[in-house]
Amino acid sequence: EVQLVESGGGLVQPGGSLRLSCAASGFTFSSYWMSWVRQAPGKGLEWVANIKQDGSEKYYVDSVKGRFTISRDNAKNSLYLQMNSLRAEDTAVYYCARYKRYSSSSEALYYFDYWGQGTLVTVSS
Amino acid sequence: QTVVTQEPSFSVSPGGTVTLTCGLSSGSVSTSYYPSWYQQTPGQAPRTLIYSTNTRSSGVPDRFSGSILGNKAALTIMGAQADDESDYYCVLYMGSGISVFGGGTKLTVL
Repeated sequence: EVQLVESGGGLVQPGGSLRLSCAASGFTFSSYWMSWVRQAPGKGLEWVANIKQDGSEKYYVDSVKGRFTISRDNAKNSLYLQMNSLRAEDTAVYYCARYKRYSSSSEALYYFDYWGQGTLVTVSS
Repeated sequence: QTVVTQEPSFSVSPGGTVTLTCGLSSGSVSTSYYPSWYQQTPGQAPRTLIYSTNTRSSGVPDRFSGSILGNKAALTIMGAQADDESDYYCVLYMGSGISVFGGGTKLTVL
């Protein structure tokens, strides 16, 4: 059974830093792209970042570029999100998601297929 | 900046059929955007319903179907049930590693 368990959320002051972790199990972690998706209180879902299987490609939503860094440790089956220079608008539940990304000459896949339960990050003084 | 548009809210009667749509602020949605759909109830993680326009995720009942209708992606729910009352989100793949969520549709079954 695929399981994704986030941790590391909490209360942080504006300008502060936080590192989120996601422990993966039930699948071959090193074979999949992974993602972070967030949801501000009472708002919709927002894609934050993706990382390729070997960490060689990373993509970010514009609003976090230069402040957030996605990374992974395949030996530990873990995904991370280092968040620096945090702002009030970064307050959200952060979900770890497995990302199915595949393309060939005949087909392609781009979607999130499994989700963790999320960890809450609150940026406030 | 590309905005993915969804109806903010929709209502359907129990047993009825409803079609939610997913569009672009500029341009048309096609299969090349690989639209996917997710269901979320309050306080819960999202659940994947549909990917690649019309492929149901494992375990999703065939009451849920995806398509392209005109210039938008669409999610149709037939035989609506009380527990279909949720928020529904579409995602479009924009290329260059970027995915964009729509604002979500709050579906009420009453």
